[in-house]
Amino acid sequence: GNSVTQMEGPVTLSEEAFLTINCTYTATGYPSLFWYVQYPGEGLQLLLKATKADDKGSNKGFEATYRKETTSFHLEKGSVQVSDSAVYFCALSDTGRRALTFGSGTRLQVQP
Amino acid sequence: DTAVSQTPKYLVTQMGNDKSIKCEQNLGHDTMYWYKQDSKKFLKIMFSYNNKELIINETVPNRFSPKSPDKAHLNLHINSLELGDSAVYFCASSQGTSGSYNEQFFGPGTRLTVL
Repeated sequence: GNSVTQMEGPVTLSEEAFLTINCTYTATGYPSLFWYVQYPGEGLQLLLKATKADDKGSNKGFEATYRKETTSFHLEKGSVQVSDSAVYFCALSDTGRRALTFGSGTRLQVQP
Repeated sequence: DTAVSQTPKYLVTQMGNDKSIKCEQNLGHDTMYWYKQDSKKFLKIMFSYNNKELIINETVPNRFSPKSPDKAHLNLHINSLELGDSAVYFCASSQGTSGSYNEQFFGPGTRLTVL
């Protein structure tokens, strides 16, 4: 079956630090990959996506590249802000099943 | 204009009660979902409907019964509530019937607390 593995949190960074949140996946076929963000007390928002190998998704300074050879989709940001504090979820959707399979989420705390 | 809305936002109830959560989307999507987020933030699919037809039914107790009166609405009814049902329930919707691209739009969630 499909699975997504994310690095354990919380990740605590100072403002303007570089962020990497690792995500690897197991899936049949060629899944689409997503990063969702959940701010405190809110629902999930799509942050970025990639639908095929070597695609790079980007949004709000965040980037992730679909690496088929390493089955990874790591999230990066060059300079985090306090407002980026949230829980980040890596997820995949495969051709045969439209529901998303989520990783366990990684909490990011950015300190001023 | 809220794309995916859920009611209520908070629900506190006693064990053994029956309760419903409602979801509506105004995006014109043909597929809707219910996800459960547990206390550790783990998200798991429960059900999915496409054009009012059930297409995904995960290993969920049969006390949970989804109902889709039309493709814009997907409600979740829970009978005989148990302590372990306490969680945040998210509704989502997406468009598309083929391929793997499946951007889902989520509602704000319903926090259910069973006492």
